[in-house]
Amino acid sequence: QKEVEQNSGPLSVPEGAIASLNCTYSDRGSQSFFWYRQYSGKSPELIMSIYSNGDKEDGRFTAQLNKASQYVSLLIRDSQPSDSATYLCAVNQNTGNQFYFGTGTSLTVIP
Amino acid sequence: NAGVTQTPKFQVLKTGQSMTLQCAQDMNHNSMYWYRQDPGMGLRLIYYSASEGTTDKGEVPNGYNVSRLNKREFSLRLESAAPSQTSVYFCASSEALAGGGDTQYFGPGTRLTVL
Repeated sequence: QKEVEQNSGPLSVPEGAIASLNCTYSDRGSQSFFWYRQYSGKSPELIMSIYSNGDKEDGRFTAQLNKASQYVSLLIRDSQPSDSATYLCAVNQNTGNQFYFGTGTSLTVIP
Repeated sequence: NAGVTQTPKFQVLKTGQSMTLQCAQDMNHNSMYWYRQDPGMGLRLIYYSASEGTTDKGEVPNGYNVSRLNKREFSLRLESAAPSQTSVYFCASSEALAGGGDTQYFGPGTRLTVL
């Protein structure tokens, strides 16, 4: 079983819609959770970090964490064509420096 | 601030050749990391350095060696390149000491092809 799992997609949404990206993780000791965006041919860049159960909002982005279900999600409201990218979920246990990444979900926002 | 820089950006090697990928950060971060990214595999940790003078193996360390030269620089060496090491290599850094949980910042990547 992989440490971090994501649907690879592709996920397509129309412009202005809500995109929902999901991630599950296997280690209950995980404490820190991150969403990165990666454009084709570029390096990952951080969008959101979340450490506590519940929702965390930053502009059009909302991260949701449910540790009991070992589930973290990212919602993108009012999706724009510029949001088209691969979104990577990353998890860290806080007991060491190893981060585990999912394989990423490819998102396409259709104008 | 340049952030995290990597050299070279592209490299083609023949099987058996050696090379060193260089990484430097100017954010005074304690921890540095080397990842490889392959299609369908996501980012996989090769080695990391929690602080100057320490290095540890990650998920896929075989065929690689690392050196934490100082707080700024962390290099990755391929002693005898193999076609299976064809990949995109990313260096990253974070502020955290042992314990992790901190945001990682990535360099632009090195695209390596081994023929």
